[in-house]
This record gives sequence, structure tokens and C-alpha cells, in this order.
Amino acid sequence: NAGVTQTPKFQVLKTGQSMTLQCAQDMNHEYMSWYRQDPGMGLRLIHYSVGAGITDQGEVPNGYNVSRSTTEDFPLRLLSAAPSQTSVYFCASSYSNAVSSGNTIYFGEGSWLTVV
Amino acid sequence: ELKVEQNPLFLSMQEGKNYTIYCNYSTTSDRLYWYRQDPGKSLESLFVLLSNGAVKQEGRLMASLDTKARLSTLHITAAVHDLSATYFCAVDINTDKLIFGTGTRLQVFP
Repeated sequence: NAGVTQTPKFQVLKTGQSMTLQCAQDMNHEYMSWYRQDPGMGLRLIHYSVGAGITDQGEVPNGYNVSRSTTEDFPLRLLSAAPSQTSVYFCASSYSNAVSSGNTIYFGEGSWLTVV
Repeated sequence: ELKVEQNPLFLSMQEGKNYTIYCNYSTTSDRLYWYRQDPGKSLESLFVLLSNGAVKQEGRLMASLDTKARLSTLHITAAVHDLSATYFCAVDINTDKLIFGTGTRLQVFP
């Protein structure tokens, strides 16, 4: 059981390049999401998914695309990288949102992205 | 727009002392999370608070939730150096969508 796995851990991009951050979980979680963390700030939600084939926007979706073709994978695509997207990206997953579940949301180790 | 405010933002405290971190949020929610983050690391789940009046304790940390006041607290008892980290509260607004506070950077010194 590897938990939430993100790749790559570090990446440097040039402005205008595109790339995909990978996220995979092996816990059969329905819910997956992507957050970004900027220096001195909390995490902000980019996109999330409640199950395969279903995605929706979070607080800061502009410049990012997602898809959820399988339960396990939730890639985040940067379409045309900008310096403002320099950040640390975290993927997260959890079971259903039943209030009584008290479920934990599991985070990946993070992907450090620099856009120059 | 939901806002989640933590205070203090920075906390330097001596070992053995007690202190409380506050988390205020601006809309209705019945679920609140506390996380710990060490420098350069991911987030570690500390507590999930599911209802008004919920109180959970783990070691030197105790978290509580008052949904009517829209306030959660994280109380540190007899701090030790190993507790030095950044602590985040996060409010669950729907379907495990979390809105995070800005974090409280805690430093415990001898």
C-alpha cells in the first residue's frame, strides 16, 4: 500500500511549456484533489474529482486541466506554464464524504515546480 | 466567500509552556481538520473534528470545535521541541473540498 504517489518531485519549466503532474493512489479512494501551496500560505484547491469521469473546479483552476479516467489516477496538466504557477503541488485522496466516516484525507509528498 | 483565519501566524514558545492556536472560519461547516507540516514535507493529519463540541486529544495536542462560534482551537500542553512545525486548520465545505488557513508556524525553544 503506497498511499498517494506524486511524480515528479521536482521540475523546472520554461514559460509557455506544458507538462503533467502525475498522481496515483492505491487505496480505492473515490475523492481526489489537487492543491497548490505558495510560500507562507495554506493550500488552495485547484481541481477535484468525486469519482472516475467526474471533475470540478476549485478555488484557483485557471491554467490547469484535469481528468479522471480511472479511480487510481488524477493527473494535473499545466497547459502553458507561467511564472505565477511556481509552487508546490499536493495531490490528496479520501473515501466518501459521509459525515459519520471521520475519514482522513491523505496527501502526497508534493511536487516542487519552478517556472522560469 | 469562505475565509479561514488562523492566529497567531507565528508562535515562538519555550519548552514546557502551554499555548492555544485559534482557527476562525466564516461559513457553516461541520467538519474541520488539523494538519501538521514539517519543512519541505507533506501534510500529516492530526485531527478530524466532526461535530459541535467535538474534542480530540493526542499526546500534548488537543483540538476542539465550536460550530456555533465557527471556531476551532488547537491547544498545546507542555510544549517540546519536537512539536516545532507549521500547523494548518482546514474547513471542509463540501465533498472533501478543503479551505485552508494560512498556517501557524510554531517554534519551541529550550
